[in-house]
Amino acid sequence: AQSVTQLDSHVSVSEGTPVLLRCNYSSSYSPSLFWYVQHPNKGLQLLLKYTSAATLVKGINGFEAEFKKSETSFHLTKPSAHMSDAAEYFCVVSDSSSASKIIFGSGTRLSIRP
Amino acid sequence: NAGVMQNPRHLVRRRGQEARLRCSPMKGHSHVYWYRQLPEEGLKFMVYLQKENIIDESGMPKERFSAEFPKEGPSILRIQQVVRGDSAAYFCASSPPRAGGRSSYNEQFFGPGTRLTVL
Repeated sequence: AQSVTQLDSHVSVSEGTPVLLRCNYSSSYSPSLFWYVQHPNKGLQLLLKYTSAATLVKGINGFEAEFKKSETSFHLTKPSAHMSDAAEYFCVVSDSSSASKIIFGSGTRLSIRP
Repeated sequence: NAGVMQNPRHLVRRRGQEARLRCSPMKGHSHVYWYRQLPEEGLKFMVYLQKENIIDESGMPKERFSAEFPKEGPSILRIQQVVRGDSAAYFCASSPPRAGGRSSYNEQFFGPGTRLTVL
């Protein structure tokens, strides 16, 4: 069965410094992987997705993630944090065998210090 | 093109009452998904529907919960005889008809959610 683990429940960085949100996955098939962002009291927005093309995926708002099969990881990074990046981030996996169902990680809350 | 619409945004019910949550998918989308988010947790899949059909309800509680997506009108998630443990945010997502066959993934677009509080 597929699963996804977000290693940090809360990450705090200073504005202008790099962001790293960690995600490890487990899947018996070739996975599709996604990062979603949820701002307070808002719905979820897709940041980026990996679907077996390039392993380095660029998303919106300067975020990117790298798929590393050997490490079963899909960490989210951004070179320079902005105050507006403060939100909840979810790593998500979808198995190709059951594309109707996607599995969410427990989320990482990103705080930005001025 | 309006996004996924959910209403109401906030719903308060007393124990034992019924809750009805509505979801209007994006224009042209024929697939609807419902998720539940408990405080401090990620979203948990509940049910996947196409027009007039339930495709996958493996995440739905066996009792009191039901979902439909009629030929006309929004998708409805219905919770009968609500209990305090049903308090959560319920998100709906929609996706277009699957282009690449059963195994291809179609991006899901999420609504703003309905926050249900059971007193």
